[in-house]
Amino acid sequence: NAGVTQTPKFQVLKTGQSMTLQCAQDMNHEYMSWYRQDPGMGLRLIHYSVGAGITDQGEVPNGYNVSRSTTEDFPLRLLSAAPSQTSVYFCASSYEGTSGSDEQFFGPGTRLTVL
Amino acid sequence: DQQVKQNSPSLSVQEGRISILNCDYTNSMFDYFLWYKKYPAEGPTFLISISSIKDKNEDGRFTVFLNKSAKHLSLHIVPSQPGDSAVYFCAASATFNKFYFGSGTKLNVKP
Repeated sequence: NAGVTQTPKFQVLKTGQSMTLQCAQDMNHEYMSWYRQDPGMGLRLIHYSVGAGITDQGEVPNGYNVSRSTTEDFPLRLLSAAPSQTSVYFCASSYEGTSGSDEQFFGPGTRLTVL
Repeated sequence: DQQVKQNSPSLSVQEGRISILNCDYTNSMFDYFLWYKKYPAEGPTFLISISSIKDKNEDGRFTVFLNKSAKHLSLHIVPSQPGDSAVYFCAASATFNKFYFGSGTKLNVKP
């Protein structure tokens, strides 16, 4: 199993550009989520999904869109990038997300810089 | 306002000694707590968890203690090894769909 994969690893955008961060998992996990990590802030939940076709907002959803058309993929879209979105983005998945025993498996991260 | 706080940004410990990492939370609805370990340029990896019905959970060298009345949990690593040097995040959840992470503590275990 590849686990959770994220592409690209690094990305530089100009203010106002749009892009999609890709996330895929091959563990047949129902629950997937996106976090951003900023210095001194830890990981903050952006959006999450409990299954194909179902998404919901996390702690910091503004400026980001998600969709979940398949169990495997959970892309994160930045519609109009802003410097405040410079961060490291992590995708994670777990079996159900409805049980306290579900650990989340994280991808390696995407480092995004918005100029 | 952060609901999960790790007030020590860094901790340095001698190899073989105990490492104690602390975490405080403000939301009394949190009933599940996890610790993750993160190496540079990698995603976090799950370490150990505890539910609110317990006050202690052990897994090898790692023990998590939960004090619900104080809204405080701690991770003990005994004995500490140089390979334990990493950033440790605590996380908490009330619904299992939303997880709140602390800002992390960077542990340095000196040989």
